[in-house]
Amino acid sequence: EDQVTQSPEALRLQEGESSSLNCSYTVSGLRGLFWYRQDPGKGPEFLFTLYSAGEEKEKERLKATLTKKESFLHITAPKPEDSATYLCAVRRRLDNYGQNFVFGPGTRLSVLP
Amino acid sequence: SQTIHQWPATLVQPVGSPLSLECTVEGTSNPNLYWYRQAAGRGLQLLFYSVGIGQISSEVPQNLSASRPQDRQFILSSKKLLLSDSGFYLCAWSVGLSNQPQHFGDGTRLSIL
Repeated sequence: EDQVTQSPEALRLQEGESSSLNCSYTVSGLRGLFWYRQDPGKGPEFLFTLYSAGEEKEKERLKATLTKKESFLHITAPKPEDSATYLCAVRRRLDNYGQNFVFGPGTRLSVLP
Repeated sequence: SQTIHQWPATLVQPVGSPLSLECTVEGTSNPNLYWYRQAAGRGLQLLFYSVGIGQISSEVPQNLSASRPQDRQFILSSKKLLLSDSGFYLCAWSVGLSNQPQHFGDGTRLSIL
């Protein structure tokens, strides 16, 4: 069964303390892995797309990497404004457009000043 | 650029009352459209998706229905709300035949009393 898991469930960091979030997936016919940021009471905001193992994307303090079975979201020297829930999702090859996307449960990140 | 609008942002309804949530997308044609429900601290549950006007697929049996009267309009409805319908509802769009991600609206917080 295709699934996406994320760890840790929650993470508390001090400002400037770098760390990584993990997204592990088992899907058939991967057509892309996506990272989103979600603030409380808001919809997920798209961050990155990764398509093949070895690919990396960067945006400010965030860097996403992809292997054949997992993706990491590295946060370098985080600031309090990076506090949010980070969601991972995969798009798989299916004729059913609805079930194309599978989301993980997310990691709640808190960055303390 | 593409934008997605969802309203209302919050809604409080009594049990047994009807529901209508609306979502519109601008800046793209013939998008795939989705309705999700997100429970607190949990992942996204796909409710409905649509690949075109009048074409609706339901992923989970429930008290809700969806309609797509225009290319970029997606409506979530119920004739009689249940307590279990409370939650955070998200609308999303994606480009049909591609490996592009979904993009989300800001959601509607629905509370049933």
